[in-house]
This record gives sequence, C-alpha cells and structure tokens, in this order.
Amino acid sequence: DTAVSQTPKYLVTQMGNDKSIKCEQNLGHDTMYWYKQDSKKFLKIMFSYNNKELIINETVPNRFSPKSPDKAHLNLHINSLELGDSAVYFCASSQADRDAEKLFFGSGTQLSVL
Amino acid sequence: QQQVKQSPQSLIVQKGGISIINCAYENTAFDYFPWYQQFPGKGPALLIAIRPDVSEKKEGRFTISFNKSAKQFSLHIMDSQPGDSATYFCAAGYTGRRALTFGSGTRLQVQP
Repeated sequence: DTAVSQTPKYLVTQMGNDKSIKCEQNLGHDTMYWYKQDSKKFLKIMFSYNNKELIINETVPNRFSPKSPDKAHLNLHINSLELGDSAVYFCASSQADRDAEKLFFGSGTQLSVL
Repeated sequence: QQQVKQSPQSLIVQKGGISIINCAYENTAFDYFPWYQQFPGKGPALLIAIRPDVSEKKEGRFTISFNKSAKQFSLHIMDSQPGDSATYFCAAGYTGRRALTFGSGTRLQVQP
C-alpha cells in the first residue's frame, strides 16, 4: 500500500498547455509538500501545506497553483507551461510537529515540456 | 542563509571502503539535519538524521558526524557496498519552518 502516491508518473506536453499533478498520502500526516528536482538533481521546496493551509510559497511563479482539498491530498496545477518547467516534481508528506526531519516522498512526476 | 553546501558532487569508492560526504550550513536556526538516499526513478528516502545536541549518530553502517561550532556535518558509510550506489542529499530544517533545505546531492558509485 503506497504511502505517498502521485499521478501521473510521466507527463509530456507542449509549451503553453495547462496540466495537473495529483498527490495523495495515507499516512495521516498533517503537512504536505511539493518539491522540484531539476536536471542537476537539485531539490527545491515549492510549496508547503499544513492542514490544508498554505504556509510556504517559495517564490514560485503564479502559473503554479497548489490546491489542498483535504489533509490527505495536495494537487499542483500548472498554467501556460514553459520549457523551463521541465523537471521531476515530488510530492511529500510529514508529521511536522513530531518528526519534522522525516519526509515521505512519492515516486515523482517527470514533466517534459516540448 | 537557507543554503546547505554539499561536497563532493560525485564519489567513486571500492567495495568495502569508506564513503564520506560533507555538508556545511550558514543558518544557525537550523536544528535538525537529515540525510536522504535516492535511487534512480524513486523519491528520496530518509536514511539517518541528527539533532545538534549530539556530535555523532550511528545506525548500522551509516554515521553522521556533527560539528556545531564549524556548522558542518558529514555522512560516513562504512564497508560501502554496490547496493549503496545512489544519490545522497544532506538537508537542514528548523522548528517552525515546515520545509527542508537540501544540499545539491552527491552521486555515489561503489565499485565491486
């Protein structure tokens, strides 16, 4: 039973399109995250949500809009995709008040913008 | 100030050898320091973590050494095995900020 699952695993699309990535966690965690991993493997926080409330928005273009319908789900919608958006996007979750250092990551969504 | 600097970028070690990866940070507010391991096509997974009240933590073949005054910490992998070949990330975080700041990663190759 996958703890943090995200779909799709691969996303290939044209510049200018809009796409969404979905994430669900079944760990009962209170905090969920989106991280971006670029081609050099650098992992950077994009957003952090605690109990459905946005708490970190790390200077991400407003073409990226996260949505958390409930504690177990965090989706990422991207408008007007650009070449530079190509990367692997990871969803993660944690119980931040108890084990803040322990993030559970999904297996990633590889986004390729052509 | 949120940066965590990691070195080396890549590392090749013979089977049975010791792998050492180093990280340094600036922000003295950081109060936990985990290491993550990532295999190709997978998400990172927590390997071991340390808080600054101890200078060393060991779990099996993996040891974190922490030097608070130098603002540095390192991962030692003893008796390195080919199955340890992966990318390793150091990270840092602090209470109240719900996000980890990751280092740039070290690609470890353990040759049989």
